[in-house]
Amino acid sequence: SSELTQDPAVSVALGQTVTITCQGDTLTTYSASWYQQRPGQAPILVMYANNIRPSGIPDRFSGSRSGNTASLTITGTQADDESDYYCCSRDSTVSRLGVFGGGTKLTVL
Amino acid sequence: EVKLVESGGGLVQVGGSLRLSCAASGFTFSDYEMNWVRQAPGKGLEWVSYISKSTRGTSIYYADSVKGRFTISRDNAKNSVYLQMNSLRAEDTAVYYCARDQSGSYYYVFDYWGQGTLVTVSS
Repeated sequence: SSELTQDPAVSVALGQTVTITCQGDTLTTYSASWYQQRPGQAPILVMYANNIRPSGIPDRFSGSRSGNTASLTITGTQADDESDYYCCSRDSTVSRLGVFGGGTKLTVL
Repeated sequence: EVKLVESGGGLVQVGGSLRLSCAASGFTFSDYEMNWVRQAPGKGLEWVSYISKSTRGTSIYYADSVKGRFTISRDNAKNSVYLQMNSLRAEDTAVYYCARDQSGSYYYVFDYWGQGTLVTVSS
């Protein structure tokens, strides 16, 4: 089965730009979606199809993909953005199986 | 307003069974595929199972970790999706979320999630 790899933790100064990455061979075929999860809450979709932002998500969130790496970038990071972020995609062999990255804990300094 | 409300979690012994339910409202349930995703305490998200829209000719998939033990089903008349969990193990302890599927051909997307229901498997 496919695997998606994320850095466990990333930090950013308030107001600065941060990029969270997700790496996996399946991303050369399938796109990534991204979820924000605050402690004790359900995940929220913040990006899909690599770079499409759902309605209601601030435009400081953007996404991209290059080769086997998908990225979620937050420009002008706010304190409220401190959360866990997970990428997700399809399994490269059985496409209806889902696969999540291990998650990145974003700390805003 | 789209709402997904899970229920049925609780404390169960190793080897036991539980049936989770997810009641949907605010959208035409039969138009959407559905998934279950779980999160063990202090751990990341794990995709568990998928079910297609129709109850006829249903397409179903499971993660290897639950295949043969869990069964997903849906009742479009009741706007609900279910997860029957048998032969439970300690490692099945997690918050279980149901999530609405809005995937495209080349991406997996869960656009709405329930608040989750906690399953604790005790030895």
